[in-house]
Amino acid sequence: DQQVKQNSPSLSVQEGRISILNCDYTNSMFDYFLWYKKYPAEGPTFLISISSIKDKNEDGRFTVFLNKSAKHLSLHIVPSQPGDSAVYFCAASADYGQNFVFGPGTRLSVLP
Amino acid sequence: ETGVTQSPTHLIKTRGQQVTLRCSSQSGHNTVSWYQQALGQGPQFIFQYYREEENGRGNFPPRFSGLQFPNYSSELNVNALELDDSALYLCASSRTGTRGSPLHFGNGTRLTVT
Repeated sequence: DQQVKQNSPSLSVQEGRISILNCDYTNSMFDYFLWYKKYPAEGPTFLISISSIKDKNEDGRFTVFLNKSAKHLSLHIVPSQPGDSAVYFCAASADYGQNFVFGPGTRLSVLP
Repeated sequence: ETGVTQSPTHLIKTRGQQVTLRCSSQSGHNTVSWYQQALGQGPQFIFQYYREEENGRGNFPPRFSGLQFPNYSSELNVNALELDDSALYLCASSRTGTRGSPLHFGNGTRLTVT
């Protein structure tokens, strides 16, 4: 039973355009969410977080939106750059940072 | 600021053997978590250590065990290795006591069990 789902295994976007990565969760107790990107042969790199008391958080080109009623969050990357090509994971925690449940990831390809 | 470092980077073991993986936390962090990432999947929580004690455990059998040392470094031990234990093992550090502290990962240890 997957508690965190990323239903798009892959996504291709043109350089300069917006990339939107989606994540759905089933556990209403989740209160803290993270996004990571991962390059081959490296560990996941933290991008941005959001707590359940907010519905939006921005950091540079990255914005995360949280819709608690729909149990859905999304990561927007604007503008997309070729260096953003990686696998993106969303992760959720029900206790503000103990056990994180990760989604299966979405592979983003940004085409020049 | 020193990041999370893991050793070794790669390891090949035979079924039934035991393995120890090591992790040094990022400076300023007091909590270490271990995750297993199988091919094509997201990381899966094994356990977390805080103040040298296990502070939460995922759905992994007791043959997965760990330690945290006073300098916040950590070890993951796996006994009686099985073929399905082949995976990338990720260590992450964070700061318990700071609400909403994200995990910071090392580059992982790739374990192959033959």
